[in-house]
Amino acid sequence: GAVVSQHPSRVICKSGTSVKIECRSLDFQATTMFWYRQFPKKSLMLMATSNEGSKATYEQGVEKDKFLINHASLTLSTLTVTSAHPEDSSFYICSAGTRGNYEQYFGPGTRLTVT
Amino acid sequence: EDQVTQSPEALRLQEGESSSLNCSYTVSGLRGLFWYRQDPGKGPEFLFTLYSAGEEKEKERLKATLTKKESFLHITAPKPEDSATYLCAVQADYQKVTFGIGTKLQVIP
Repeated sequence: GAVVSQHPSRVICKSGTSVKIECRSLDFQATTMFWYRQFPKKSLMLMATSNEGSKATYEQGVEKDKFLINHASLTLSTLTVTSAHPEDSSFYICSAGTRGNYEQYFGPGTRLTVT
Repeated sequence: EDQVTQSPEALRLQEGESSSLNCSYTVSGLRGLFWYRQDPGKGPEFLFTLYSAGEEKEKERLKATLTKKESFLHITAPKPEDSATYLCAVQADYQKVTFGIGTKLQVIP
């Protein structure tokens, strides 16, 4: 149980284009989904928290117009990196949790490379 | 501000050589402390949640313990397949989790 998938696992895009990453909870309903970014030898950095049906809450320093998050259903959240630049290249990981339960279950991550 | 410090940053063990990983934390009102395992290029895999000082949990060769200031992940007789980065995280506010940088464990046959 508690399986979270992400798609795509790897994506390469050109500078200036937009990329969408999907996060799905496969066997449970995720009332809350989280998006993280991970740099080499650094801890996971929370970018935003999204609750189903409402606007995402972004962490300080994260541009909400650049990283668009949608949590349209209890099993799907998407992160769109708009007008991507090379500095956006990173490992993006989503996680999902349920109301009243503190554990988060992580997806396998998406490696984004912007050329 | 919540803080999580993990030590050592890297640990190299011989197969069968038991050891412990440390996670020191500073948080206002701990709701939960989590241990995750992360393999290269993969998302973290959930291992344990500890809620209060004195609590212990075990899974195969792993045992996690919790005090008011730190948590230990004990690895008994590790095998090469235990090689991974082990992440510690704490939760204070509702569902916001702060992660440590992790301990990269390498178990040599």
